[in-house]
Amino acid sequence: DAGVIQSPRHEVTEMGQEVTLRCKPISGHDYLFWYRQTMMRGLELLIYFNNNVPIDDSGMPEDRFSAKMPNASFSTLKIQPSEPRDSAVYFCASSLWQGDQPQHFGDGTRLSIL
Amino acid sequence: TQLLEQSPQFLSIQEGENLTVYCNSSSVFSSLQWYRQEPGEGPVLLVTVVTGGEVKKLKRLTFQFGDARKDSSLHITAAQTGDTGLYLCAGAGQAGTALIFGKGTTLSVSS
Repeated sequence: DAGVIQSPRHEVTEMGQEVTLRCKPISGHDYLFWYRQTMMRGLELLIYFNNNVPIDDSGMPEDRFSAKMPNASFSTLKIQPSEPRDSAVYFCASSLWQGDQPQHFGDGTRLSIL
Repeated sequence: TQLLEQSPQFLSIQEGENLTVYCNSSSVFSSLQWYRQEPGEGPVLLVTVVTGGEVKKLKRLTFQFGDARKDSSLHITAAQTGDTGLYLCAGAGQAGTALIFGKGTTLSVSS
C-alpha cells in the first residue's frame, strides 16, 4: 500500500524564484496537512484540507505561500517569491479524519533557498 | 492556544541505559500520540493513548497518559542504537481541530 508521496525530495533554488512542492495523499484519506520543520521552530502546521477544501490556513506565514488541492489525490504548496528564510523541510501528511486518527507523513521536501 | 512542551530537548546516552522523555501541557487533550522520526524521513506513529492513566507497552517502550490527560511520558528500557531519532508527542484537542505537536526530543544512543 503506497504511503504519502512527496516531490521533489530536494530543491535548491535562488531567492525570488517560484517553488512548487507536490503531495499525493493516501487513497481514501479525507484530511491533508502541510507542515514545515526547522530546528528552531519544530514542526509547524501551515494549512490543512478536508475533502479538498482548505479548513485552516492560519499557519501560512505570508501571502507568498499558497496551497491548493484540486482533487482528492493531489495537493501543491507554492512559494512565490521564495526567500532564504523559507529554507526548511516541508512535510505533507494525510489521515482518515481528525482527532485521534494517526497522521501518515511523506518523507518531506528539503528546500534550500540561496 | 494549546501548547505541548517536551523535555529534555536533547538526550545522549549509551546503549543499555534507560531513559524517560516527557510531554507536558496546561491543556487537556482527548488523546495523545507519540511519533518517531528518523533522519531523512517523516514522523511515524508509535502509539496513541486515549484514557487518563492509560499505560501502553511497545516492546521496550512504555507510554503513559497522565490521569488528567494533560501530560504523557515515554520510557525506554535498555536503549539500543536503533532507538536513535526524534520523538514527537502530538495532542488531539477539540473535535475538528488539528493535532498540536511538541518540538520533540532528539535521542542519540551510542554503542
